Amino acid sequence: QSALTQPASVSGSPGQSITVSCSETSGDFGPNNRVSWYQHHPGKAPQLIIYEDNKRPPGVSDRFSGSKSGNTASLTISRLHADDEADYFCFSFANRQNTFFFGEGTKVDVL
Amino acid sequence: QVHLVQSGAEVREPGVSVKVSCKTSGYTFTGYFLHWVRQAPGQGLEWVGWISPDSGATKYAEKFQGRVTMSRDRSISTVYMELTNLKSDDTAMYYCARVGKHSLVVTAETVYFDSWGQGSLVTVSS
Repeated sequence: QSALTQPASVSGSPGQSITVSCSETSGDFGPNNRVSWYQHHPGKAPQLIIYEDNKRPPGVSDRFSGSKSGNTASLTISRLHADDEADYFCFSFANRQNTFFFGEGTKVDVL
Repeated sequence: QVHLVQSGAEVREPGVSVKVSCKTSGYTFTGYFLHWVRQAPGQGLEWVGWISPDSGATKYAEKFQGRVTMSRDRSISTVYMELTNLKSDDTAMYYCARVGKHSLVVTAETVYFDSWGQGSLVTVSS
């Protein structure tokens, strides 16, 4: 089973920066596959915050940034706010299985 | 402005089926693939499958093969997801999500979701 591995939780204080990783170790994901990131507050629909590894949709704060190196994509949240507290999921396509996967999800806690 | 509005909560007994709808507006319905994603209580997001509103072509995650059917009605810009032989672990919030790139230029490797429905809660319980 392909998997995108994320840490279960990451925490930081207001004003700090944190990074959430999304790693692919099964070899099922192609090197050119793009990663998107979604913020999910409980009871609300997920929201796109990063697409194609590092692009930010209109209206999303520039405190959110994405990058990818090798098999690991990263989401960085700068100048952490209380309302950044949410679950964050990465998403990509697994070529070998011809199917899509979400990462396991990371709960971001703002202390 | 893109809007995806889903049908309301459903309660079903194990073994029966449920059909959830996702009505779209604010864009050309046939120009963008739609996917379905679910989240069981306390779990992460799980990809269910996609449908081409233009051709009606579908692709489902392997674990749902044989139990899920996605369809569309172009006349009312609506897609549907039907799940049969429901089990208790199908209890989840089901979301429809629009792919952010036009179907003529998107590839599987570049899929992302720029708009989501509000979710439809399906509860399976006897």
